[in-house]
Amino acid sequence: DAGVIQSPRHEVTEMGQEVTLRCKPISGHDYLFWYRQTMMRGLELLIYFNNNVPIDDSGMPEDRFSAKMPNASFSTLKIQPSEPRDSAVYFCASSLRGPSYEQYFGPGTRLTVT
Amino acid sequence: GEDVEQSLFLSVREGDSSVINCTYTDSSSTYLYWYKQEPGAGLQLLTYIFSNMDMKQDQRLTVLLNKKDKHLSLRIADTQTGDSAIYFCAESPYNTDKLIFGTGTRLQVFP
Repeated sequence: DAGVIQSPRHEVTEMGQEVTLRCKPISGHDYLFWYRQTMMRGLELLIYFNNNVPIDDSGMPEDRFSAKMPNASFSTLKIQPSEPRDSAVYFCASSLRGPSYEQYFGPGTRLTVT
Repeated sequence: GEDVEQSLFLSVREGDSSVINCTYTDSSSTYLYWYKQEPGAGLQLLTYIFSNMDMKQDQRLTVLLNKKDKHLSLRIADTQTGDSAIYFCAESPYNTDKLIFGTGTRLQVFP
């Protein structure tokens, strides 16, 4: 079975540009999570969805970040406008049983904002 | 607080055993997890232990849980160069909707 799929794997953009990260969860998993990983702050949960509905977005840094899940097999994380401090690796993860149970991570998108 | 603590680095010789330690904060956590992250990759679930267990063994991996001290450890027997990675522990505190990840321990295996 395919795991969590993310695209692109690498993104380099200039400050002020819009960035869209994409994720396809494991089929049948009703929970989808977006994380950000940096050296300074480690792994941070940004938002998670259950059955395509955002449940907890308290980790979203600011209004420049938005996430959507239009259907069970696709989610996007958008940053507009992007800033250099947004440079990080962004992971998508999915779970069958819930946010407190095992989560399966995608390979990540390495974002560099210059 | 919600801090899960791990030492940052561990260096072992190939063939030796590695022990990675983790201290968590919520004694009511139901499950505790170990993840492995190789360079340029996502976190891979290695194993987990339910809170009513003291030990779980899975091939070269042994997980020990001390609930009294809120201490979790991962032992890797016969450590190989392919085990070089960052290892994260994670807890699921009772009544929270999230996994709390540790800071990660970077394991380096040298020949």
